[in-house]
Amino acid sequence: DTEVTQTPKHLVMGMTNKKSLKCEQHMGHRAMYWYKQKAKKPPELMFVYSYEKLSINESVPSRFSPECPNSSLLNLHLHALQPEDSALYLCASSPTTRRTMNTEAFFGQGTRLTVV
Amino acid sequence: AQRVTQPEKLLSVFKGAPVELKCNYSYSGSPELFWYVQYSRQRLQLLLRHISRESIKGFTADLNKGETSFHLKKPFAQEEDSAMYYCALSSSPGFQKLVFGTGTRLLVSP
Repeated sequence: DTEVTQTPKHLVMGMTNKKSLKCEQHMGHRAMYWYKQKAKKPPELMFVYSYEKLSINESVPSRFSPECPNSSLLNLHLHALQPEDSALYLCASSPTTRRTMNTEAFFGQGTRLTVV
Repeated sequence: AQRVTQPEKLLSVFKGAPVELKCNYSYSGSPELFWYVQYSRQRLQLLLRHISRESIKGFTADLNKGETSFHLKKPFAQEEDSAMYYCALSSSPGFQKLVFGTGTRLLVSP
């Protein structure tokens, strides 16, 4: 299995809702990432987990709360979002966070989130 | 600050024509550079990384530290090359942060 799987594919939520995005990989990767991609813009890094520990938080508002329950799973908990948070949320994984000849980030298909 | 610049939003060529997608970067350390591609309705995937100096699907890219460039080239474009191409930079000390350029859409017409 060489894929990163994200669920759901689409999500519409109200500004008072609480929802979660899920990401799963079974490649034995120990680094996992959340990126946000607005329409017609490049992906922007939000969070990095390395060996299930939060390694980087790119000053993301607290209404986004990441969680890494084990080495295969990554969640993004959403609460009290704003319409401007509507975007494609991409999950990625890589073997480690170290640079090697085989360094590569594998991306999921993304969850398209609409906040109404 | 790290920055990746892709000056062309859209590059339109005919099948069989040479292609060059430009990428310039700004980074004070030792950069690691990548080209990622996104075909229609598919996920973002790695095309090339500078450290391995490989050729994938006929594409090559050479890191020019003097010009701080990492242009992507292919001598003869194919229709199936039509996609969105992102140049990305990984910052030291690890692979933790990928900074993407704004992307270039390549359209190859028959």
